Amino acid sequence: GENVEQHPSTLSVQEGDSAVIKCTYSDSASNYFPWYKQELGKGPQLIIDIRSNVGEKKDQRIAVTLNKTAKHFSLHITETQPEDSAVYFCAASSPGGGNKLTFGTGTQLKVEL
Amino acid sequence: DGGITQSPKYLFRKEGQNVTLSCEQNLNHDAMYWYRQDPGQGLRLIYYSQIVNDFQKGDIAEGYSVSREKKESFPLTVTSAQKNPTAFYLCASSIDGLGYSEAFFGQGTRLTVV
Repeated sequence: GENVEQHPSTLSVQEGDSAVIKCTYSDSASNYFPWYKQELGKGPQLIIDIRSNVGEKKDQRIAVTLNKTAKHFSLHITETQPEDSAVYFCAASSPGGGNKLTFGTGTQLKVEL
Repeated sequence: DGGITQSPKYLFRKEGQNVTLSCEQNLNHDAMYWYRQDPGQGLRLIYYSQIVNDFQKGDIAEGYSVSREKKESFPLTVTSAQKNPTAFYLCASSIDGLGYSEAFFGQGTRLTVV
């Protein structure tokens, strides 16, 4: 089955700096890669996603890049703000699998003033 | 407001007892999922259902059971056979189970075995 690894597990940045979180996946058939943000005591919320036929996607301060050959994808947050502090999860799913998501282990992002 | 409602938010169970976690959605989604989250770990799939009256085991189904009698509802029962049930449980739904579909999550139920 699919295995998703995520790094780093914790990330501390100064407000205004950029943050990068990286994930690798094992199943070359995976074709959908969402990123979720989870605040304390709440359920995860989708912040951006990318399909395997696209190399990069951007939404304001958030961008995701995908390298299918190397089987890795990354989340980039620019101009970080204190409200970006949360746990971020990457995930992957493959076609025909019931849209099941395999999640990484999460990155605790802390944006310091 | 459309969304996914999980209840209760906190649940305490004595060892040896079964307990049922509720999950209801009014998004008219076909697919529903149950995930378990432990500290410092990602979400792990327990069960999923792509359509009413059908469900499949996920990666960690042992000690759990589900039903999908209505499109809106996907309750999860944690049985006494689950060796380590204390965890944060998350229910999700997506418009279908065909891929590329955003999964919407509920606010979770924190289960503690006492």
